[in-house]
Amino acid sequence: NAGVTQTPKFRVLKTGQSMTLLCAQDMNHEYMYWYRQDPGMGLRLIHYSVGEGTTAKGEVPDGYNVSRLKKQNFLLGLESAAPSQTSVYFCASSYFSGGHQETQYFGPGTRLLVL
Amino acid sequence: EDQVTQSPEALRLQEGESSSLNCSYTVSGLRGLFWYRQDPGKGPEFLFTLYSAGEEKEKERLKATLTKKESFLHITAPKPEDSATYLCAVDNYGQNFVFGPGTRLSVLP
Repeated sequence: NAGVTQTPKFRVLKTGQSMTLLCAQDMNHEYMYWYRQDPGMGLRLIHYSVGEGTTAKGEVPDGYNVSRLKKQNFLLGLESAAPSQTSVYFCASSYFSGGHQETQYFGPGTRLLVL
Repeated sequence: EDQVTQSPEALRLQEGESSSLNCSYTVSGLRGLFWYRQDPGKGPEFLFTLYSAGEEKEKERLKATLTKKESFLHITAPKPEDSATYLCAVDNYGQNFVFGPGTRLSVLP
């Protein structure tokens, strides 16, 4: 099992450009998440999905959109990148068992630099 | 608002010098508390889950404990390879976890 994979690993964008980050998981998990991690601020949730075809906003959703067309994939889009979106982006997946959420499994991250 | 804090922000230990990291939480409800290890340039890696006060989990030199207000990650006789950022997160019966900011641990040889 590859677990959670993310592409690309690193990207440089110019202000105003758009891009899509891809997250894929092969564990058949229902739940998927997109976080950003900035120095001193910890992990902040951008958007999440509780199943195929569903998405919801997290703590910092502005400037991002997501789609979950297939259970194994969760896409994060930046329509018009801004320097404030320079960050490391992590995808995670999890599932519920016995009435509680099992741990979230994280991908290796995508480093994004917006100039 | 539910909140998770961690202390200290950074910790330097000599190899073999035992210590503890703290995770304090103020949440409306606790379904589970999770500890992760994060190495530079990598994603968080799961260590432990604790579900109720009094519960303890151990793995090699690490031991996690849970009370009604906080959790501790005890590190016994640490080695340089234990150097990492340690994150805790709380499942507060929501759809997601509330993460703490992390503790950066450095173990010097």
